[in-house]
Amino acid sequence: AQKVTQAQTEISVVEKEDVTLDCVYETRDTTYYLFWYKQPPSGELVFLIRRNSFDEQNEISGRYSWNFQKSTSSFNFTITASQVVDSAVYFCALSAYYGNNRLAFGKGNQVVVIP
Amino acid sequence: DTGVSQDPRHKITKRGQNVTFRCDPISEHNRLYWYRQTLGQGPEFLTYFQNEAQLEKSRLLSDRFSAERPKGSFSTLEIQRTEQGDSAMYLCASSPGTSGGQETQYFGPGTRLLVL
Repeated sequence: AQKVTQAQTEISVVEKEDVTLDCVYETRDTTYYLFWYKQPPSGELVFLIRRNSFDEQNEISGRYSWNFQKSTSSFNFTITASQVVDSAVYFCALSAYYGNNRLAFGKGNQVVVIP
Repeated sequence: DTGVSQDPRHKITKRGQNVTFRCDPISEHNRLYWYRQTLGQGPEFLTYFQNEAQLEKSRLLSDRFSAERPKGSFSTLEIQRTEQGDSAMYLCASSPGTSGGQETQYFGPGTRLLVL
């Protein structure tokens, strides 16, 4: 079974501050994918980033960066210099690499950026 | 290139009625997924199609739920004899379906169902 835990429920930051979202996962698969999605108030889930379990290199994409640590089963996500438009619910998700295509989501982190 | 579209965006119905939702995936995407999201929770997988074949169904998909994708393009999700517990956001996603492994799923805006 696959499980994703996002412990923090709501996080408030002042605009331009950095915000880091924690994600811990459980899986029996040796190969898998991890994702972060954003859900603004409109409701549509927007894909942000994806990382496969082969590659633990951490990357930066614009104001987004992520820290994947297989040893601790964590896939944390950071928004640098937050903006009001970043206010949304952010979901971490996990899927198997092959076969089963279902995404297992965490409960999400509500991020509120205060101007 | 248009994204995933869903219709209707909102549906209010009375308990016991049947409802049907439609999802149009991104053009030429072979895989289509349905998820359900209740308030304060992450989406939960319901079912998945590869072209017109329904390859997997979650235990969440009770006998009152049925999904189809008759021509491998759009899909419908029907809920019969709705119950108040069916109130949720129903999300559709699609992916290319060209690789053997997991692909990024792109989501539609969802259909928000309220059962009175």
